[in-house]
Amino acid sequence: DGGITQSPKYLFRKEGQNVTLSCEQNLNHDAMYWYRQDPGQGLRLIYYSQIVNDFQKGDIAEGYSVSREKKESFPLTVTSAQKNPTAFYLCASKKTGPYNEQFFGPGTRLTVL
Amino acid sequence: GIQVEQSPPDLILQEGANSTLRCNFSDSVNNLQWFHQNPWGQLINLFYIPSGTKQNGRLSATTVATERYSLLYISSSQTTDSGVYFCAVQDAGGTSYGKLTFGQGTILTVHP
Repeated sequence: DGGITQSPKYLFRKEGQNVTLSCEQNLNHDAMYWYRQDPGQGLRLIYYSQIVNDFQKGDIAEGYSVSREKKESFPLTVTSAQKNPTAFYLCASKKTGPYNEQFFGPGTRLTVL
Repeated sequence: GIQVEQSPPDLILQEGANSTLRCNFSDSVNNLQWFHQNPWGQLINLFYIPSGTKQNGRLSATTVATERYSLLYISSSQTTDSGVYFCAVQDAGGTSYGKLTFGQGTILTVHP
C-alpha cells in the first residue's frame, strides 16, 4: 500500500534535548512538507523540500532542522533552541507542480517534560 | 499572505441532519482541499477542489474561485462524521511552493 509513515507516534523529551521525527513516503512524490499543529489551531508550515538535497524554511522554521538525502525520507529535528516544542507534527507529500493534491501522514505527538 | 476563514467554528447536530461548512479565502488559489481530522489526529483527504463541484457519497463540495469561497455539504450526518473539518488553500502566487494555508477549522459534533 502506498502512503506516508511517521514515527514514533508519541515522543517525550526532556528540555535541552534534540529529537528527530521520522517521515517516509512510498508515493514517489518529489515534494515533502513538515507542519506543526497546536491545540485548537490549524496547521503551520515548518520546512518544505521540492527535490532531493534541497529544502526551504517555511513560516515557523526557528528551532527546527531538516535533511533530504533520499526522495522517500524527510526527517525533522526539533532542537533545544525551539522554545515551545510540545505540539502535533504532521508530514505531507505531493507531486511537484501547483495543481496536485497533498497527502498527510498520521502524525507524531511530541511532549516536552 | 493569504488568509483563510472557516465558519462556523463549532457545529452541533443530531444524527440525520444536514449541514454546510464555509471557507472564505482572501486571494487567488491553485489548490483548495477539505480535510477531516479524526480523533487520533489523522488528516483524511475529503476533496481536492480548486473550482467546481464534486460529490462523494453523503459529502459534496463546491468552490467558487472567482468569489473566493468554498462550501462543504454533509447530508444525513452520522456520529462518525464528528471531528474537525479543515479547509486549506495554496496561494496562486509564484512563491507558494505547494504550501497549504489552513483555516482554524470547524468542530463538528453529531449526537445520536
